[in-house]
Amino acid sequence: NAGVTQTPKFRILKIGQSMTLQCTQDMNHNYMYWYRQDPGMGLKLIYYSVGAGITDKGEVPNGYNVSRSTTEDFPLRLELAAPSQTSVYFCASRFITGTSTNYGYTFGSGTRLTVV
Amino acid sequence: RKEVEQDPGPFNVPEGATVAFNCTYSNSASQSFFWYRQDCRKEPKLLMSVYSSGNEDGRFTAQLNRASQYISLLIRDSKLSDSATYLCVVNPMNYGGSQGNLIFGKGTKLSVKP
Repeated sequence: NAGVTQTPKFRILKIGQSMTLQCTQDMNHNYMYWYRQDPGMGLKLIYYSVGAGITDKGEVPNGYNVSRSTTEDFPLRLELAAPSQTSVYFCASRFITGTSTNYGYTFGSGTRLTVV
Repeated sequence: RKEVEQDPGPFNVPEGATVAFNCTYSNSASQSFFWYRQDCRKEPKLLMSVYSSGNEDGRFTAQLNRASQYISLLIRDSKLSDSATYLCVVNPMNYGGSQGNLIFGKGTKLSVKP
């Protein structure tokens, strides 16, 4: 049981390049999330998904896209990278039933992205 | 008022000290509460859930005051390994959709010194 796996761990992009941050979970969690965390700041929600085929915007979605074709995978796509997207990106998953949200998130180990 | 507010610290304490963190939340309908721990350059990890009656896990005690919309975390007999940032986390509602999204405070930094 690997939990939430993110790849790559580190990446340097040039301005205008594109890339996909991969996230996969093996816990059969229905909810998945992408957050970014800037130095000394809190977590900001980029996109989330409540199940395969369903995605929605979070607080800071501009410049990003996501897809959820399977329960396990939730990749984050950066198009036309900008220096403002330099950050640490965390993927997370959560199991929510119809009656309880008493389960916390499980986070991946993060991707450190620098755009130069 | 911010959704989840915490004192950013840092809290610098000696080993063996007792330290308390406080957190307030703005949405009175919030249903679930958590404390997460984040080590430097690492992902947040769930420390403990917070229940209405209060709960304890070893040296850690969490309390919830719904009337005051206030959550606390008490760490007794601090260890060097407790040095980290502690995040107060709130689930605004008790059902799915966007209400399944946790709201994170910015965290309180703790540094335990020898």
